Amino acid sequence: DADVTQTPRNRITKTGKRIMLECSQTKGHDRMYWYRQDPGLGLRLIYYSFDVKDINKGEISDGYSVSRQAQAKFSLSLESAIPNQTALYFCATSDSTGGYRGYTFGSGTRLTVV
Amino acid sequence: DAKTTQPNSMESNEEEPVHLPCNHSTISGTDYIHWYRQLPSQGPEYVIHGLTSNVNNRMASLAIAEDRKSSTLILHRATLRDAAVYYCVEYNNAGNMLTFGGGTRLMVKP
Repeated sequence: DADVTQTPRNRITKTGKRIMLECSQTKGHDRMYWYRQDPGLGLRLIYYSFDVKDINKGEISDGYSVSRQAQAKFSLSLESAIPNQTALYFCATSDSTGGYRGYTFGSGTRLTVV
Repeated sequence: DAKTTQPNSMESNEEEPVHLPCNHSTISGTDYIHWYRQLPSQGPEYVIHGLTSNVNNRMASLAIAEDRKSSTLILHRATLRDAAVYYCVEYNNAGNMLTFGGGTRLMVKP
């Protein structure tokens, strides 16, 4: 099984619908992140959490919310999806050293909003 | 805005060394330089990181300029499986987060 699992892998939804993307990890890491990737571009940070009671906004948090249900679970919600939220979404984890041992990324969720 | 600058694409021949450059002229003294690669249809994969000294691991080597304003990822013998987008990323030690730039798409020719 993958260390970081994202569900669903692909999702098509309609404008205005609420959608949740889920992430779970078996790394035992405290820190979890949600990134967005648009075609041909790098990843941009949406939200991050350093432990269960900690939630922080990233550079592009508008239109998104998150929930850290447990150390191993971090979900991303789009309250009212819009077409420009069509993108590839990645969940990542790191231990408390973050910069020393690198991040572990999931395989991504491809979201299409029509 | 991205803090790192990389060529959009590079080409290499199989079994030859590849040097992937990155500029990070505004990096602070405590920020690490990370490299990740992203294979098609996959999430980014950690490759290597460093602060000041050159670093080696089983995947690659990282050469960091003395002034830390640039670095080079070195793949010693490119294989077809090394074809990917390579990201040079600043790790902000104070904010504990990675900031990705646009990456370099590496193409490997047989």
